Amino acid sequence: GQQLNQSPQSMFIQEGEDVSMNCTSSSIFNTWLWYKQEPGEGPVLLIALYKAGELTSNGRLTAQFGITRKDSFLNISASIPSDVGIYFCAGQSGGNTGKLIFGQGTTLQVKP
Amino acid sequence: EPEVTQTPSHQVTQMGQEVILRCVPISNHLYFYWYRQILGQKVEFLVSFYNNEISEKSEIFDDQFSVERPDGSNFTLKIRSTKLEDSAMYFCASSPSTDYEQYFGPGTRLTVT
Repeated sequence: GQQLNQSPQSMFIQEGEDVSMNCTSSSIFNTWLWYKQEPGEGPVLLIALYKAGELTSNGRLTAQFGITRKDSFLNISASIPSDVGIYFCAGQSGGNTGKLIFGQGTTLQVKP
Repeated sequence: EPEVTQTPSHQVTQMGQEVILRCVPISNHLYFYWYRQILGQKVEFLVSFYNNEISEKSEIFDDQFSVERPDGSNFTLKIRSTKLEDSAMYFCASSPSTDYEQYFGPGTRLTVT
């Protein structure tokens, strides 16, 4: 079945640093979504991307939908301690069911 | 801001027992989903539901699982005879259409002993 490869698996950075993570797939997706999950909670939507090449920002977060439709990246600028959590990419391949395929997640730790 | 709610937050059950997990999706959304997350792993799709029918299910969603929208607001996931490997976080999600953002609830932690 479809799979998303998300990297890196984990990051430990200093407060104020920029962070970049990405997801790649062997198949095409029509929609890319980025979520953040904190311990014991559900995924919270950060950014949604709908068109190849689209670049979208949400505060200090910026994400892009790869031109080949097989990849996406998420950047966090000037990280702060509350950025700590697990970041997941999720792709939707279209059709009429809305099924999301999730990446394995990137665990981010920020040192004050 | 509208949100997806789920009850209970934690359910402990014995192997072989039936459990029902409940969700209230966002009120104007038409598409509903259940996902599962085993501790420390990624989120996995279980089932999508639209117009009172299952539109897609994964291989995880076998005959022990069923979903229902019993009224205009609730969406439920039933596991008929729980197994130890059903222990996981179960998330409900909803969206206004299939190619739009999905919003997730806080989850129900199911522990099967």
